[in-house]
Amino acid sequence: GAVVSQHPSWVICKSGTSVKIECRSLDFQATTMFWYRQFPKQSLMLMATSNEGSKATYEQGVEKDKFLINHASLTLSTLTVTSAHPEDSSFYICSAIDAALGWSYTFGSGTRLTVV
Amino acid sequence: DAKTTQPPSMDCAEGRAANLPCNHSTISGNEYVYWYRQIHSQGPQYIIHGLKNNETNEMASLIITEDRKSSTLILPHATLRDTAVYYCIVETNTGNQFYFGTGTSLTVIP
Repeated sequence: GAVVSQHPSWVICKSGTSVKIECRSLDFQATTMFWYRQFPKQSLMLMATSNEGSKATYEQGVEKDKFLINHASLTLSTLTVTSAHPEDSSFYICSAIDAALGWSYTFGSGTRLTVV
Repeated sequence: DAKTTQPPSMDCAEGRAANLPCNHSTISGNEYVYWYRQIHSQGPQYIIHGLKNNETNEMASLIITEDRKSSTLILPHATLRDTAVYYCIVETNTGNQFYFGTGTSLTVIP
């Protein structure tokens, strides 16, 4: 089945630095990828929709200059948290749609970001 | 915004069927219902999806009411490993986004 690899699985960074999270579709082409954030004991919150070769569409309230999303190829999307602060500490999850199947939403295993 | 409502928590005895309800009264005619589950600190795992007909796969069955305003996920023989948060999601028909609701935390009891 479709596999989405997310890297790193966890990262600790200092306040003020930037962190990049990668999301790769391993065995399929993903025309659309999504980025979510999940705080403890809460549900997943959609941050942005990323289409290959175009700018990401951000949900209301999500700062596009802080959460930079790049989807340069059909198998890779990256989320960069710029100038991270402790309140950015969260579980970040990506998902991808298999272009061939259209409906197959596969999620990555998530990245635990801790900003100290 | 999420178009679904689910009970926050449920218990189920091991070996029994777990029936998880979901209301999606504002669903549009061409929007699919998806079910995913999330085990602690992992990414959501696909279970099943459907449009209007009942669906069954190796993991579960999905029963959708005729008016499509609600559905029920059935895990026929729950095991301890089925303990997770189960999300019922209506896919948007504009941009294919998933907006997660609060989900149901299912605890399977030995």
